[in-house]
Amino acid sequence: GESVGLHLPTLSVQEGDNSIINCAYSNSASDYFIWYKQESGKGPQFIIDIRSNMDKRQGQRVTVLLNKTVKHLSLQIAATQPGDSAVYFCAGTWGEYGNKLVFGAGTILRVKS
Amino acid sequence: NAGVTQTPKFRVLKTGQSMTLLCAQDMNHEYMYWYRQDPGMGLRLIHYSVGEGTTAKGEVPDGYNVSRLKKQNFLLGLESAAPSQTSVYFCASSPLIEDTQYFGPGTRLTVL
Repeated sequence: GESVGLHLPTLSVQEGDNSIINCAYSNSASDYFIWYKQESGKGPQFIIDIRSNMDKRQGQRVTVLLNKTVKHLSLQIAATQPGDSAVYFCAGTWGEYGNKLVFGAGTILRVKS
Repeated sequence: NAGVTQTPKFRVLKTGQSMTLLCAQDMNHEYMYWYRQDPGMGLRLIHYSVGEGTTAKGEVPDGYNVSRLKKQNFLLGLESAAPSQTSVYFCASSPLIEDTQYFGPGTRLTVL
């Protein structure tokens, strides 16, 4: 079946360092990927997205890289801050209309001050 | 805009009871979704809707029903709750196909 998964369940970084969260997917037909951030007790919040015709996209302090050859994407957070502590999910679209998301299990990011 | 709202925030049910979760969005989005989130797992799609009056099954639809009578509302029903349905339920909406989904704050449901 379709799946999107993460390599590391927990990532601890020092404040100010860069963070890299990885994600592997299995569905070659997925052509749209999203990273979400979920803080405790809240719903997932959109961070950044990327379409399959791109291999890199940058936002404010965040960069998503997509490697379609190995079906891998990553989220890079520059100068990680305590407010970045959360669970991060990658998700990819599937389905006839590409409107259904498959989520990975999530990576916990802990920022140490 | 309030975005996506969900009611109630918390609910405790006994096995066999029924209930309806309400999701409302004020962004005029066509697509709406219901997910469940269990510990150590990503969100799993229960049902979704591509427009008013339409519904479709997601990954884990068994034991749930949905209705989309109005464009802004998407209801999730449990006819006979089971302990396996203890979870956090999230509603989401999106304007277009393959577009960002915006999530509500979630409903924590416990079935005893």
